[in-house]
Amino acid sequence: GQSLEQPSEVTAVEGAIVQINCTYQTSGFYGLSWYQQHDGGAPTFLSYNALDGLEETGRFSSFLSRSDSYGYLLLQELQMKDSASYFCAPGRGDDKIIFGKGTRLHILP
Amino acid sequence: NAGVTQTPKFQVLKTGQSMTLQCAQDMNHNSMYWYRQDPGMGLRLIYYSASEGTTDKGEVPNGYNVSRLNKREFSLRLESAAPSQTSVYFCASTLQGGPSGANVLTFGAGSRLTVL
Repeated sequence: GQSLEQPSEVTAVEGAIVQINCTYQTSGFYGLSWYQQHDGGAPTFLSYNALDGLEETGRFSSFLSRSDSYGYLLLQELQMKDSASYFCAPGRGDDKIIFGKGTRLHILP
Repeated sequence: NAGVTQTPKFQVLKTGQSMTLQCAQDMNHNSMYWYRQDPGMGLRLIYYSASEGTTDKGEVPNGYNVSRLNKREFSLRLESAAPSQTSVYFCASTLQGGPSGANVLTFGAGSRLTVL
């Protein structure tokens, strides 16, 4: 089976840093992906961690710890346009891609 | 490139009617997926197809059927629609086994279905 846990909502201030956590239990795990979805839109790929550690892509970074079955997405210098839902999705060897319920990020001016 | 194209974008059905959602991708991806999204429920996998000629059940397959017509196309059929199937449906595709190993899913724009 598989289980994924993310906080349902996170609120932060414009210009600040926010971390969105994801814990997972899945068989055949080989990596963790993150997606962003704005209201009314389709999800879009943000980042991927195959190995333990931090991957940085501009203002966004993602971290993975395989031993803890844990990852997080770090968003820096928050902008109002970052208000969206964020989903983690473990990669599996059987191609079955399941998403967490997502974290809704609210940004205050 | 068009990416992933879903049709129709909007549809209203009456309970018991049938319909097919169409999905096509032009990226030569091998794996294709159908998800539904309800408020507060995230994305739930209905069915997926890891390669042409194969389909597998996801988390919520009941009430749906799929067809992987060829490498490009993956359709989702509701044989007898129910109000509980009111949702936004997303098709997605990816190239499994790519060089980075990442599941980089490309999503269609979504199909909003209302069942009365």
